[in-house]
Amino acid sequence: AQKVTQAQTEISVVEKEDVTLDCVYETRDTTYYLFWYKQPPSGELVFLIRRNSFDEQNEISGRYSWNFQKSTSSFNFTITASQVVDSAVYFCALTSGGYQKVTFGIGTKLQVIP
Amino acid sequence: EPEVTQTPSHQVTQMGQEVILRCVPISNHLYFYWYRQILGQKVEFLVSFYNNEISEKSEIFDDQFSVERPDGSNFTLKIRSTKLEDSAMYFCASLRQAKNSPLHFGNGTRLTVT
Repeated sequence: AQKVTQAQTEISVVEKEDVTLDCVYETRDTTYYLFWYKQPPSGELVFLIRRNSFDEQNEISGRYSWNFQKSTSSFNFTITASQVVDSAVYFCALTSGGYQKVTFGIGTKLQVIP
Repeated sequence: EPEVTQTPSHQVTQMGQEVILRCVPISNHLYFYWYRQILGQKVEFLVSFYNNEISEKSEIFDDQFSVERPDGSNFTLKIRSTKLEDSAMYFCASLRQAKNSPLHFGNGTRLTVT
């Protein structure tokens, strides 16, 4: 069975602060993929990043960075210098197996206050 | 960039009515999915479809639900007799191949059952 835990249900930060969204996952598979998706107030799901289980390199994309640690089964997401447009619900997700059934976490609602 | 498109964006229906949600996956994709998100909750897997048949389905996907790919381009989700608790955002997604790629989600159809 797969499980994704996002312990922070809501976070509020003031614009320009850094914020880290936590994600802890469980899976018995040795090959799996981890994702982060953003859901803005308009409701669509926007893909942010995919990471496979064999690649523990951290990744930076502009103000976004991801820290994948297999030892702690965590895949945390940091937004540097947050902006109001970052306000959204962020979902961590996990998939393994042949048909890519994705298991989502419950989401973290991020509010960036101007 | 090619997109998964879903229509309508919002559908209101009365309890007990049949509803069909439509999706046009990305044209060279082979794997198709429906996910559901009840308001304020996490995104849940409903069903995956490959090679003109269901490859996996969740416990949510009971006999009231069916999927079809009638013409090689559309991928539909039918709910036979809607219930109030079917009110949710329904996301269609597609993949070119099962591994090494993230799901491409459509913008969702918000279904409201009154």
